[in-house]
Amino acid sequence: DIQMTQSPSTLSASVGDRVTITCRASQSVHNRVAWYQQKPGKAPKLLIYKASKLETGVPSRFSGSGSGTEFTLTLSSLQPDDFATYSCQQYDDDPGTFGQGTKVENK
Amino acid sequence: QIQLVQSGPEVKKPGASVKVSCKASGYTFTDFFIHWVRQAPGQGLEWMGSIHPNSGDTDYAQKFQGRVTMTRDTSITTAYMELNRLRSNDTAAYYCARGVTALTSFAYWGQGALVTVSS
Repeated sequence: DIQMTQSPSTLSASVGDRVTITCRASQSVHNRVAWYQQKPGKAPKLLIYKASKLETGVPSRFSGSGSGTEFTLTLSSLQPDDFATYSCQQYDDDPGTFGQGTKVENK
Repeated sequence: QIQLVQSGPEVKKPGASVKVSCKASGYTFTDFFIHWVRQAPGQGLEWMGSIHPNSGDTDYAQKFQGRVTMTRDTSITTAYMELNRLRSNDTAAYYCARGVTALTSFAYWGQGALVTVSS
């Protein structure tokens, strides 16, 4: 199975900060990476698919980039509603696998 | 609007089985895969498998082969995931999610069903 390794595991930031989360795949997954936001007790919410495509309705402060084995989720200006856990997923190879998550907390 | 509504929380003893349901609405049930993903407390998301409601074809993660069964009832647009021989480390939130293909990202999720395995 392909391993997806996220960094950092926890990130402390303030409203207005630019935030970057990285996901590294153990082998190339081309551009078949998605990013999710999850809040406690809730289902994940799709933010980005195909590495850089913004899901409908997701604010433009979220962006994704990368290909091959290294991918990045960027929040251009952190908002109060953005404190949550973010996870990457590869869906290039069966089984699809997820990163362990990055918790964005209030500094 | 597209909705996936799951059954409620369950408490089971080790060795027992659990069956979680996922009722779909707002789209043609037989046109999309239903995937099952679980999340143990404080852990990451883990794909368990998928079913195509039209054919009933399933694909299970190797880790769950022999212990999981995914079925569907097209007459009531509901998918099911049954996990047998439960262990304490099966305690998790179990989510269903709609997938366009067998290997895909997930734009639509159920609300999750918490399964607690405890003696």
